[in-house]
Amino acid sequence: AQRVTQPEKLLSVFKGAPVELKCNYSYSGSPELFWYVQYSRQRLQLLLRHISRESIKGFTADLNKGETSFHLKKPFAQEEDSAMYYCALLTGGGNKLTFGTGTQLKVEL
Amino acid sequence: GAGVSQTPSNKVTEKGKYVELRCDPISGHTALYWYRQSLGQGPEFLIYFQGTGAADDSGLPNDRFFAVRPEGSVSTLKIQRTERGDSAVYLCASSPVGGGNTEAFFGQGTRLTVV
Repeated sequence: AQRVTQPEKLLSVFKGAPVELKCNYSYSGSPELFWYVQYSRQRLQLLLRHISRESIKGFTADLNKGETSFHLKKPFAQEEDSAMYYCALLTGGGNKLTFGTGTQLKVEL
Repeated sequence: GAGVSQTPSNKVTEKGKYVELRCDPISGHTALYWYRQSLGQGPEFLIYFQGTGAADDSGLPNDRFFAVRPEGSVSTLKIQRTERGDSAVYLCASSPVGGGNTEAFFGQGTRLTVV
């Protein structure tokens, strides 16, 4: 069965420090993975998807099939990065997302 | 409209009552999704519509839950005989087409509390 694991409920870092939000998945098919973000009092929104191989707001994520991971990274955290981050796996024939439980990122000054 | 709109934003109901939650997707989006998010959890898939038809309802927890999209636009999630365990934030999302890597745009959600 498909599963997405985000082991950290809360990650606290200082401004300017590197950030790594961990995501591991379990899926028998070819994985398509996403990171969604929810800022305070805002709706859930797409941050990036692995297939685009893009960098958004300084964040990148590389799919590692050997380790079944899709960790989100940013070299220098900013205060505005404080938010809830969800890793998600596209399943069900490409029609639904399986989400992890989320990691709350807190960037302290 | 500017985005996916969900009404009401908050709903408190008594155990055993019937509730309807409404979703207005972005105009022209053919795909519509309902998710449920319980406290401390990520969103959990409920149902997916492509146009007017429910293409995948495998996430509906039981037959008390039902959703419709009669004209391929607005959708209503209906919950009969509500239970305290139904308390959650119900999220709606839409995308231009279904499947693949098309971005899903989420609404603000309806917070349902069953007392």
